[in-house]
Amino acid sequence: DAGITQSPRYKITETGRQVTLMCHQTWSHSYMFWYRQDLGHGLRLIYYSAAADITDKGEVPDGYVVSRSKTENFPLTLESATRSQTSVYFCASSGQGGAEAFFGQGTRLTVV
Amino acid sequence: SQQGEEDPQALSIQEGENATMNCSYKTSINNLQWYRQNSGRGLVHLILIRSNEREKHSGRLRVTLDTSKKSSSLLITASRAADTASYFCATVLRSSGNTGKLIFGQGTTLQVKP
Repeated sequence: DAGITQSPRYKITETGRQVTLMCHQTWSHSYMFWYRQDLGHGLRLIYYSAAADITDKGEVPDGYVVSRSKTENFPLTLESATRSQTSVYFCASSGQGGAEAFFGQGTRLTVV
Repeated sequence: SQQGEEDPQALSIQEGENATMNCSYKTSINNLQWYRQNSGRGLVHLILIRSNEREKHSGRLRVTLDTSKKSSSLLITASRAADTASYFCATVLRSSGNTGKLIFGQGTTLQVKP
């Protein structure tokens, strides 16, 4: 199916564990983004990527790692999950720099 | 601190009324975008206004941009219950070059009562 998909939709993990959130888009968009959404903070940019093998930090990158070996995939890894990383995570993609972004449905992550 | 701040944080109106949401930002932009988020869903792009534009329309939506005041407003006319959602402004900073870095505000929650 065309579009941008995130998996899993829901995840519960324990403090200290490594967890990877997946993001896949079928449009061959160059730009991809990871955001977290928390009450009172809106959406905050974690990492973004302008192309395969090019990634850069956003507003809140600490505790997260990304990679982009293929244009269509942009996984986000929490190396050692903490309770403060409990959030809803959104992946997005865009065909051009500064153009409209298309969002996935989100992953609700709970760290216990 | 975040680039965009929205006002009000929450808005409740009756169906048929107009809803106005405001967004202020801090640094020079290439463009400003508005998104809608229904409860439990991802964000959907509504409209994009470039830094050299002052006003843009799309159906019942009207967006204005005042770069001298670093502010934008989103007007939804003749609101419907289906417009109930959170609305976010997002900016592409001029300093970000071609990175496409998109920074969001905290959003306005709109409730339209039938």
